[in-house]
Amino acid sequence: GDSVTQMEGPVTLSEEAFLTINCTYTATGYPSLFWYVQYPGEGLQLLLKATKADDKGSNKGFEATYRKETTSFHLEKGSVQVSDSAVYFCALSKNTGNQFYFGTGTSLTVIP
Amino acid sequence: DVKVTQSSRYLVKRTGEKVFLECVQDMDHENMFWYRQDPGLGLRLIYFSYDVKMKEKGDIPEGYSVSREKKERFSLILESASTNQTSMYLCASSNGGAEFYNEQFFGPGTRLTVL
Repeated sequence: GDSVTQMEGPVTLSEEAFLTINCTYTATGYPSLFWYVQYPGEGLQLLLKATKADDKGSNKGFEATYRKETTSFHLEKGSVQVSDSAVYFCALSKNTGNQFYFGTGTSLTVIP
Repeated sequence: DVKVTQSSRYLVKRTGEKVFLECVQDMDHENMFWYRQDPGLGLRLIYFSYDVKMKEKGDIPEGYSVSREKKERFSLILESASTNQTSMYLCASSNGGAEFYNEQFFGPGTRLTVL
């Protein structure tokens, strides 16, 4: 069945370090891919998305490219800030069927 | 901006109590969802609804029921709360009828503790 696998956490980085959080997916057809972020004590909010192969989603300095050949959607940021400390979820959905599939989440802590 | 609100941020109930969690969205979305979030398990779908009075089971519906009498409101009901239902509950909504590939908008969550 359809699923998302993302790298286990927690991840701890120093401020201004480079961030990569890996996400791979299994799906038939042509899914849309998403990264959501959950700040402490809050619900999830959309960070970025890509709806077709080779699309790059970007927002707030974060980027992810939809790679169909490697079934991946890795999240990257060139220079993290303390305010980026949160839990990040990779997710997919399809234009047929009726569900979102979320990864288990990766906790990021950025220290000054 | 889409706004999804949940009736309580924190809730403490006793085993065997009937619990209602309410969710309201203000953007006229067709689809609404209830998830529970547990450490190491991510988000798991309990129930969803793509129209008023319509409901579909998700991955873990046991011990829960739902109600959608109005388009903007989706309620999650624990008929007889148990300690293993202690969790964070997240409500979400999205546009698009019976197709769910659109972005989901989440509420702030309700942290339920069952004693």
